[in-house]
Amino acid sequence: ETGVTQTPRHLVMGMTNKKSLKCEQHLGHNAMYWYKQSAKKPLELMFVYSLEERVENNSVPSRFSPECPNSSHLFLHLHTLQPEDSALYLCASSQDGGPKNIQYFGAGTRLSVL
Amino acid sequence: TQLLEQSPQFLSIQEGENLTVYCNSSSVFSSLQWYRQEPGEGPVLLVTVVTGGEVKKLKRLTFQFGDARKDSSLHITAAQPGDTGLYLCAGAGTTDSWGKLQFGAGTQVVVTP
Repeated sequence: ETGVTQTPRHLVMGMTNKKSLKCEQHLGHNAMYWYKQSAKKPLELMFVYSLEERVENNSVPSRFSPECPNSSHLFLHLHTLQPEDSALYLCASSQDGGPKNIQYFGAGTRLSVL
Repeated sequence: TQLLEQSPQFLSIQEGENLTVYCNSSSVFSSLQWYRQEPGEGPVLLVTVVTGGEVKKLKRLTFQFGDARKDSSLHITAAQPGDTGLYLCAGAGTTDSWGKLQFGAGTQVVVTP
């Protein structure tokens, strides 16, 4: 148990569906992250939030929409996804940023887009 | 973009053998982290190295940061089945914007009894 909880663990959706991924951290951290993990590829950073403000948006398509209502919760809203968006989506949190920031990861949501 | 290349991509060994995983880049990093990810789980931090030439030991795992802070290695002595997992290195750049880590693609290690 890392203190970062993601739901659901598995999600299958059609290309016209709308769904949301949820992440909650119980560590009192100030920063939260969304990553995409595809097989044999490096983790791709999607979004970074610090104290509920978005500080990084890595050229992610608009069909992915993040929301951070408070420092403990992070959502990723999905709509009109493509099959190539199928991947493991990981949430992480850290106390703060900087070069030594230690990130704690959730177990991820395995997303399949049909 | 600072790319981190990990080698080998896949490693299968018998219990009791030693193994080394490499993480290389042409860029300098202010720090480098090693994570292990098991099936169905997220990555879990093993160690952070900060100083060029630094060596850290975690039981049977030895981590080394290159003198120039461009590369790192992870050596496992007398591997056990519990060491099976995806090993990821991640570097924080010297000029990175807030909170960014650059990850390698990982080395899948399988240790069979």
